[in-house]
Amino acid sequence: DADVTQTPRNRITKTGKRIMLECSQTKGHDRMYWYRQDPGLGLRLIYYSFDVKDINKGEISDGYSVSRQAQAKFSLSLESAIPNQTALYFCATSGRGSTDTQYFGPGTRLTVL
Amino acid sequence: SQKIEQNSEALNIQEGKTATLTCNYTNYSPAYLQWYRQDPGRGPVFLLLIRENEKEKRKERLKVTFDTTLKQSLFHITASQPADSATYLCALGTGGYQKVTFGIGTKLQVIP
Repeated sequence: DADVTQTPRNRITKTGKRIMLECSQTKGHDRMYWYRQDPGLGLRLIYYSFDVKDINKGEISDGYSVSRQAQAKFSLSLESAIPNQTALYFCATSGRGSTDTQYFGPGTRLTVL
Repeated sequence: SQKIEQNSEALNIQEGKTATLTCNYTNYSPAYLQWYRQDPGRGPVFLLLIRENEKEKRKERLKVTFDTTLKQSLFHITASQPADSATYLCALGTGGYQKVTFGIGTKLQVIP
């Protein structure tokens, strides 16, 4: 089984709808991250959490919120989806070591019409 | 402002040759630098890490160099194969309670 899983893998929704993307990990890592990837822009950090009680905004957090339900689970919500949130979304984890190697999930392709 | 630059244009190389990808940075004092491979529609996969006090790291056909004076890392794939075709991302980390920051990636195409 994959160490980092994301659900759903694909989602098409309409403008204004609330969407939740879920991430689960079995690596036992404390740190979890949400990124979005757009062509020509690379990976951009939305939110990150260094433990269950620690949530931090990344460089593009506007329009998004997160919930760290447990060490193994980190959810990303789009409260009111808009078309420019159409992107590939990745969850990642890393351990407490000093080099923050990231382990990525398979991604969620989100389309907002 | 902090900036990471990777050649956004695709790199095409003949099978068997050495591919060299570049990662330059400005206004950073990285404690380490990482390289990842990403295949289309999939999450990046960690390949190699090099620390600020290391000049070179090798893993099988992969070699990474890190020059903190030039503010540059080079990523080499020797004896390249079509299966090496992918996008390669560099990421810089400052250590401690900080997260890594990714470059945009360079797409490598190995031509049979």
